[in-house]
Amino acid sequence: GESVGLHLPTLSVQEGDNSIINCAYSNSASDYFIWYKQESGKGPQFIIDIRSNMDKRQGQRVTVLLNKTVKHLSLQIAATQPGDSAVYFCAATSGNTPLVFGKGTRLSVIA
Amino acid sequence: DSGVTQTPKHLITATGQRVTLRCSPRSGDLSVYWYQQSLDQGLQFLIHYYNGEERAKGNILERFSAQQFPDLHSELNLSSLELGDSALYFCASSELAGGPGTDTQYFGPGTRLTVL
Repeated sequence: GESVGLHLPTLSVQEGDNSIINCAYSNSASDYFIWYKQESGKGPQFIIDIRSNMDKRQGQRVTVLLNKTVKHLSLQIAATQPGDSAVYFCAATSGNTPLVFGKGTRLSVIA
Repeated sequence: DSGVTQTPKHLITATGQRVTLRCSPRSGDLSVYWYQQSLDQGLQFLIHYYNGEERAKGNILERFSAQQFPDLHSELNLSSLELGDSALYFCASSELAGGPGTDTQYFGPGTRLTVL
């Protein structure tokens, strides 16, 4: 089955800097990946997704990069703001199998 | 606000008891997913319902059961509760039936269950 892991449980960045959060997955058949943001006391909030036929996808201030060769994806947040402080999860699925979530990276933004 | 509602927000109960968690999906969404989030296990998929029918099961214990009603709200029933069942329970909804790879899941605010 799939397992998803994050490289760092915590990340601190200076306000205005770019943040990069990394994630690795194990199942080469995984074809759909999602990043979620979870603020304290709230449920996970969808940020951006990417399918395996793409290497890069951009949203508003966020970019997801997918490297299928090494089974790695990353979330880049440009010009990080205090409101970006949260726990970020990546999740992966193949076909219609249930989402498998990583344990999360806690992003702290230093003002 | 995702549009998904969950009640209650907090629940404190004793071991051996039974509780029911309730979820109302976003308007128009037919799929409901239940997840358990604990500190050591992260977010774990429990079960998926679409338009009243069970579609997929994950790591759901036999002591747990769920259903989705004709008005599309869903309930997660947890019985013979143990200390280890203390966790956050989230439901998520999506429009389609096809599972997580087909459309976005929107999460509710969760129910925090504490078993003493």
